[in-house]
Amino acid sequence: DAGITQSPRHKVTETGTPVTLRCHQTENHRYMYWYRQDPGHGLRLIHYSYGVKDTDKGEVSDGYSVSRSKTEDFLLTLESATSSQTSVYFCAISESALKNEQFFGPGTRLTVL
Amino acid sequence: RKEVEQDPGPFNVPEGATVAFNCTYSNSASQSFFWYRQDCRKEPKLLMSVYSSGNEDGRFTAQLNRASQYISLLIRDSKLSDSATYLCVVNAGLTGGGNKLTFGTGTQLKVEL
Repeated sequence: DAGITQSPRHKVTETGTPVTLRCHQTENHRYMYWYRQDPGHGLRLIHYSYGVKDTDKGEVSDGYSVSRSKTEDFLLTLESATSSQTSVYFCAISESALKNEQFFGPGTRLTVL
Repeated sequence: RKEVEQDPGPFNVPEGATVAFNCTYSNSASQSFFWYRQDCRKEPKLLMSVYSSGNEDGRFTAQLNRASQYISLLIRDSKLSDSATYLCVVNAGLTGGGNKLTFGTGTQLKVEL
């Protein structure tokens, strides 16, 4: 299995509070991604990174920000959590544009009350 | 129309049966294709890539039809352990060289004794 960890694995928070999720990889892969998964939807891309300090928006980026200061870490921040952000969040990594299979972390289950 | 469409199932089949899933995609510029497997409350895991020539990995066979824009997965001699949700995934590329994977919502397979 690819060396990807996510923390925390579970979190319950209240509306309006900031939340940061962490993804850590030991594979030295260039690309990292944050997805959310909700019933009735496929996984949807929130943000992705194509290098240290290089990030861009995905299809559902509103209300989220990201940072990548080191190759191995990709942080997802909900500045002010809302109930609509209750979801399962997955981080993924891929090695290159050519070797483009993505490998996923174990996920973070976030509940916003 | 969804970018990637799958029959949600569930497909309930007896052990030893052969089962096939299809998936259609709308973006004709899509470059690569995958099947992922997702167990309940777990992360998606890469099952196999799908090549234009078709490819086989043990009991699993994947086919791609670019002209009709569909992908198929055939599972022979189903095992109880094959019970999972199978995600059809299409890669249309990204700016920055990363890879935008678009996920179907998945087809649920239940293999029964």
